[in-house]
Amino acid sequence: EAGVVQSPRYKIIEKKQPVAFWCNPISGHNTLYWYLQNLGQGPELLIRYENEEAVDDSQLPKDRFSAERLKGVDSTLKIQPAELGDSAVYLCASCRTPNTEAFFGQGTRLTVV
Amino acid sequence: GIQVEQSPPDLILQEGANSTLRCNFSDSVNNLQWFHQNPWGQLINLFYIPSGTKQNGRLSATTVATERYSLLYISSSQTTDSGVYFCAVVPDKLIFGTGTRLQVFP
Repeated sequence: EAGVVQSPRYKIIEKKQPVAFWCNPISGHNTLYWYLQNLGQGPELLIRYENEEAVDDSQLPKDRFSAERLKGVDSTLKIQPAELGDSAVYLCASCRTPNTEAFFGQGTRLTVV
Repeated sequence: GIQVEQSPPDLILQEGANSTLRCNFSDSVNNLQWFHQNPWGQLINLFYIPSGTKQNGRLSATTVATERYSLLYISSSQTTDSGVYFCAVVPDKLIFGTGTRLQVFP
């Protein structure tokens, strides 16, 4: 069974440019999470999907961040425009339901210069 | 919201030593997981353990849900055990603790 797949693995962009991250969850997993991890800290939730519905986006900075999960499978997280402080690792995770075991992708390391 | 605290924050061991990592949480949860984040940033699943005790090789974990804590035991540590260990709990979403950074020296 394939794990959670994220792309790209690394991205370097100039500030004010847009950037997008893609996540393909494990087949059959209805719950999908996007997390942000700053250096030396634990992952922090940005948004949680149940199928195609965003059920918790309270921590998503909606002025510049957006996300979608079309057809309840793949998901895209976008930042526009990027700021220097957005440099971090963006992690995607999936599970069958929130109460079952979650699995993480390898993450996308974003550097904004 | 729920608070998840891990201790100790840092741990330095010599190869072969044993250690215990602790995770305290402030409210009842439906799920608890332990992860190891390796030096390349990958979060590796160690245990899915809402309650009870599980063992996997040199690692074992115990969760006492009624007392709101979980313990991760590492025996005969190896240099490859180095990294950051996170517990994460689910009241309704996955919330991470503060992490324990483990360094194992030969």
